[in-house]
Amino acid sequence: NAGVTQTPKFQVLKTGQSMTLQCAQDMNHNSMYWYRQDPGMGLRLIYYSASEGTTDKGEVPNGYNVSRLNKREFSLRLESAAPSQTSVYFCASSELASLLWVEAFFGQGTRLTVV
Amino acid sequence: DAKTTQPNSMESNEEEPVHLPCNHSTISGTDYIHWYRQLPSQGPEYVIHGLTSNVNNRMASLAIAEDRKSSTLILHRATLRDAAVYYCILRAFSTSGTYKYIFGTGTRLKVLA
Repeated sequence: NAGVTQTPKFQVLKTGQSMTLQCAQDMNHNSMYWYRQDPGMGLRLIYYSASEGTTDKGEVPNGYNVSRLNKREFSLRLESAAPSQTSVYFCASSELASLLWVEAFFGQGTRLTVV
Repeated sequence: DAKTTQPNSMESNEEEPVHLPCNHSTISGTDYIHWYRQLPSQGPEYVIHGLTSNVNNRMASLAIAEDRKSSTLILHRATLRDAAVYYCILRAFSTSGTYKYIFGTGTRLKVLA
């Protein structure tokens, strides 16, 4: 059981380049999330998808777009990378629930450097 | 959105209990309190959660204040493998009726041998 898989694990981009971070989960979860983590800081939510076919902005969505390709996959796209987007990116997934607690499962992260 | 406040860092001796505090004074009645930890170069992993009552599991205990404005994660016997950043998180409801996890800055726990 792989859980949440992110690709690539490392990436270096030049300013202005574009790229897509891929995320897939095999737990049949409804909800998926993208976070970024800057040195010495907590995780900040970029975008999330509560269920297939829906996406919502998180705390720091500027400069990013997302696509919920299907129930398993949730991609994050940087259209024109900037040095401020240098960070570690984490994808996560969880069951969709209303008043019940749920556990979120995280991928191993993608370390992105924009030069 | 509701927010959490935690100390930046704490230290503990190995084999001793550790109490990690968290303030969440803006918590709403249906927000669950989650704790995750993040080991170096890894993604966060679940530790424990609660709503109103104190909770125990094999990893830790969670003590929740009666007014729910604060909570404490308790590691009963810290080991070197418990050295990590511990995040206190509220699962916040968005205006669209869905929910999301909002992380604070976390507490870096250092365990001394």
